Amino acid sequence: GDSVTQMEGPVTLSEEAFLTINCTYTATGYPSLFWYVQYPGEGLQLLLKATKADDKGSNKGFEATYRKETTSFHLEKGSVQVSDSAVYFCALRAYSGAGSYQLTFGKGTKLSVIP
Amino acid sequence: NAGVTQTPKFQVLKTGQSMTLQCAQDMNHNSMYWYRQDPGMGLRLIYYSASEGTTDKGEVPNGYNVSRLNKREFSLRLESAAPSQTSVYFCASSNVRPNEQYFGPGTRLTVT
Repeated sequence: GDSVTQMEGPVTLSEEAFLTINCTYTATGYPSLFWYVQYPGEGLQLLLKATKADDKGSNKGFEATYRKETTSFHLEKGSVQVSDSAVYFCALRAYSGAGSYQLTFGKGTKLSVIP
Repeated sequence: NAGVTQTPKFQVLKTGQSMTLQCAQDMNHNSMYWYRQDPGMGLRLIYYSASEGTTDKGEVPNGYNVSRLNKREFSLRLESAAPSQTSVYFCASSNVRPNEQYFGPGTRLTVT
């Protein structure tokens, strides 16, 4: 079945440091790929997405490129802020029939940014 | 426009008790989902409803039932709660296009 593997945390960085969170996937067909962010005490919010190979998703300074050859979708940000402290989830979306799609999530990576 | 709302926010049950978690969305979405989130496990799909009148099992359906009451509402029922069902439960909704899932704030359930 489909699966998503992302780097385990927690990750602790100083403000303005460079962030990379690795994500690789296994899927049949050509899934869409997503990064979701969960701030403390809240639900998940869509951060960015890419729907086909070589697409780059970007939002709020975060970027990720859909690499079909390495089945990867690594999340990067050039300069993190304290407000980026959250749990980040990589996910893939595949068609499950009857007009519905299912998301398969990685286990999440907790990021803490210290001043 | 409230998005996806869930009630209650917190709940403590004793083993064997039953309860229903409520979810509603005001975005006119066709599909709705229930997930559970456990430490180190990410989110796992319990049940989903592709459209009003249909429901299907996800990855971890045992011990749960669902009802798609109408297009807006999708409830999750625990008939006889067990400590293994202690978790945070999230409801989500989406439309066919662009098929992005929007999540509610979650219900934190503890079963003692």
